[in-house]
Amino acid sequence: ILNVEQSPQSLHVQEGDSTNFTCSFPSSNFYALHWYRWETAKSPEALFVMTLNGDEKKKGRISATLNTKEGYSYLYIKGSQPEDSATYLCAFIKAGTASKLTFGTGTRLQVTL
Amino acid sequence: GAVVSQHPSWVICKSGTSVKIECRSLDFQATTMFWYRQFPKQSLMLMATSNEGSKATYEQGVEKDKFLINHASLTLSTLTVTSAHPEDSSFYICSAIRDRVQPQHFGDGTRLSIL
Repeated sequence: ILNVEQSPQSLHVQEGDSTNFTCSFPSSNFYALHWYRWETAKSPEALFVMTLNGDEKKKGRISATLNTKEGYSYLYIKGSQPEDSATYLCAFIKAGTASKLTFGTGTRLQVTL
Repeated sequence: GAVVSQHPSWVICKSGTSVKIECRSLDFQATTMFWYRQFPKQSLMLMATSNEGSKATYEQGVEKDKFLINHASLTLSTLTVTSAHPEDSSFYICSAIRDRVQPQHFGDGTRLSIL
């Protein structure tokens, strides 16, 4: 059983605050790490696909880093807005498993005015 | 817009009923589709991997006779929960991929309640 953990479980920030969450995963047999945003009543939306150690990806105010040697990834949101409120999921793909995702339990972010 | 459509969104039915859930990729041919289940306050758990024209690969602990998966075309996969019972009540969601290096595209999910 692959252990993918996310912290914190939930987070409540004010509009304009910057925040970050952690995803930890097995450091061996790494193939890829995905980040998804899941808003209530919608389908999960892909944010990033990360494959290389040291990768840093950015999409608007959201960015992510990857450390495959120690088995963690950080997701950063700069200047949080209410529309950023969602559950953020990371998912690990083990090498040789044909794209099978093992999800963390997610970080639930609430951004208030 | 949505690239994967999942129907129905909600199902409420009596114990013993079989329920079929459809997952369609709307604007691409999906080499592989996945079916997940989510229990309350838990993460998405992969149930099975579905490839067009071949038998689905089920994860350990998932009963293949209970959860029948058919992937008849490159744009459609179905999950049938056979003779559903209250313990099958859950949230089921599908995803599809074009190729291995791309992220998965998810449907909106199906909330199944068995009375």
